[in-house]
Amino acid sequence: GNSVTQMEGPVTLSEEAFLTINCTYTATGYPSLFWYVQYPGEGLQLLLKATKADDKGSNKGFEATYRKETTSFHLEKGSVQVSDSAVYFCALSDVVGAGNNRKLIWGLGTSLAVNP
Amino acid sequence: DAGVTQSPTHLIKTRGQHVTLRCSPISGHKSVSWYQQVLGQGPQFIFQYYEKEERGRGNFPDRFSARQFPNYSSELNVNALLLGDSALYLCASSLTGQNYGYTFGSGTRLTVV
Repeated sequence: GNSVTQMEGPVTLSEEAFLTINCTYTATGYPSLFWYVQYPGEGLQLLLKATKADDKGSNKGFEATYRKETTSFHLEKGSVQVSDSAVYFCALSDVVGAGNNRKLIWGLGTSLAVNP
Repeated sequence: DAGVTQSPTHLIKTRGQHVTLRCSPISGHKSVSWYQQVLGQGPQFIFQYYEKEERGRGNFPDRFSARQFPNYSSELNVNALLLGDSALYLCASSLTGQNYGYTFGSGTRLTVV
């Protein structure tokens, strides 16, 4: 079945450092890909998405490019801030039931801590 | 405009009890999905409802059930609670079941003792 693999954390960086969180996927077809962020004690927020190969999703300085050839969707940010400390989840959309309904399949999450 | 609201935010139950969790989607959204997030893991899909019908079910036992009401709000019910049911239960809404970016609620933290 379809699956998502994320690099394990925790990741600890100093403020203004470069961030990469690796995400690879296994899927039939061409799923949409997502990055969600979960701040302490909160629910999940959509950070960015890409719906087809070579699409680049971007938001709040974060970027990720849908790479079909390497089945990857790595998250990057050029200069992290303390406020970026959170858990980051990579996810893909998968068919559920009949028709075109979708569910999300998630990676295990990568915890990021940014120190001042 | 209000986001996805879930209630209660926290609750503690005893093994064997029953629990009902509630979710109100964003106005205009007709699809609600439920996910279970165990501490330290990614969410796992439980149910999806669209237009008041179940459209998908994850790999969860029959102790888990849900429904969607005419106003598109939803309830998740869990019977005969086990310690392993302790988790954050997340509700997500979207316009249709063909989601390209759910909006999640803040979740209900269920602790089973």
